[in-house]
Amino acid sequence: KAGVTQTPRYLIKTRGQQVTLSCSPISGHRSVSWYQQTPGQGLQFLFEYFSETQRNKGNFPGRFSGRQFSNSRSEMNVSTLELGDSALYLCASSLELADQETQYFGPGTRLLVL
Amino acid sequence: ILNVEQSPQSLHVQEGDSTNFTCSFPSSNFYALHWYRWETAKSPEALFVMTLNGDEKKKGRISATLNTKEGYSYLYIKGSQPEDSATYLCAFGNNFNKFYFGSGTKLNVKP
Repeated sequence: KAGVTQTPRYLIKTRGQQVTLSCSPISGHRSVSWYQQTPGQGLQFLFEYFSETQRNKGNFPGRFSGRQFSNSRSEMNVSTLELGDSALYLCASSLELADQETQYFGPGTRLLVL
Repeated sequence: ILNVEQSPQSLHVQEGDSTNFTCSFPSSNFYALHWYRWETAKSPEALFVMTLNGDEKKKGRISATLNTKEGYSYLYIKGSQPEDSATYLCAFGNNFNKFYFGSGTKLNVKP
């Protein structure tokens, strides 16, 4: 079974630009969560999607948005990039993220904002 | 803001040493506690999912305990090996689909 994939793996953008990151979950998984990791910080929860609906959202500004498609693939978008958005963005998938289910992480997209 | 704290931040041990780290989380509204191992240049890999107070889980030389009433979990590694070198993350869930991660404990096992 193929794992969680994320594209692109590396990205360089400049301030003010926008960026779209993509996550393809494990086949059959319907829940996709997004996390941000900045130096010295733990993984910060961005949002979680299930069956094309956002079920939960973290404390990030409205510049961060996401969506999920009918095939469970998910994208996150960051508009008007700031230097502080430079981070590793991880997505994780699970069947439903219920009970004792764990999450399976992708390799991440490393974003550098100049 | 919900705090999940892990200690120590980093640990250097010799091969063969046993070691343990702590994850502290709020004791109210507990749903689940996850442990992950994150090796450099790889994806975080799930170790344990713990949901009940008093839970003990074991996988090979690694085990974990959970105390939801006082808000902590311990991860133990018996007879550390160089391949155990990684960052160990815990994630506290107060809701089935929202998890708060600690900053991790970085373990370095010297041969």
